Amino acid sequence: EAQVTQNPRYLITVTGKKLTVTCSQNMNHEYMSWYRQDPGLGLRQIYYSMNVEVTDKGDVPEGYKVSRKEKRNFPLILESPSPNQTSLYFCASSLSTAQPAYEQYFGPGTRLTVT
Amino acid sequence: RKEVEQDPGPFNVPEGATVAFNCTYSNSASQSFFWYRQDCRKEPKLLMSVYSSGNEDGRFTAQLNRASQYISLLIRDSKLSDSATYLCVVWGGTSYGKLTFGQGTILTVHP
Repeated sequence: EAQVTQNPRYLITVTGKKLTVTCSQNMNHEYMSWYRQDPGLGLRQIYYSMNVEVTDKGDVPEGYKVSRKEKRNFPLILESPSPNQTSLYFCASSLSTAQPAYEQYFGPGTRLTVT
Repeated sequence: RKEVEQDPGPFNVPEGATVAFNCTYSNSASQSFFWYRQDCRKEPKLLMSVYSSGNEDGRFTAQLNRASQYISLLIRDSKLSDSATYLCVVWGGTSYGKLTFGQGTILTVHP
């Protein structure tokens, strides 16, 4: 089954404790991206990757890191989480970066709480 | 000014009604446009792409006006199952691979 998976789905952590949210897709997609969703602010792009070893900042990259060492995986790293990073996080992928842009397939989301 | 702005909503309509959402974007270099649907904090899913020529999928019609920099979504004969948040999405603009979402418009269809 074609899908985007994220782990963990729910996480409660404390300020400053490094964490990684994994994202994996099995569709051989070139493009992957991370978003956070907050009430009243909608979805905002954190980082995106056009292909292996190619990553770029989105609108809200501060406090986050990513890597794209292989095509299927795009982990999101919070080196020192803070309470303002409490949010619902979505990973997404799409087939290609050619135009017109392709449909984004989203993972189920990770609900992160930082205390 | 926000890069992508949507009607604030919420929209509450009876079954069978026709409802329209608008979305404006600020960057004229934006290249592709979409409407996504999101159910109650679940993952967004593509509803339809939006083309300059307009496109229709059953009860849904999307239009793009590049000159005025807005896109629209029309839903005819609303169903209870249409209740969701509708997200306007713009690809490209300031950066080639960047995707920008509007805040979303909540639609509730009631009996």
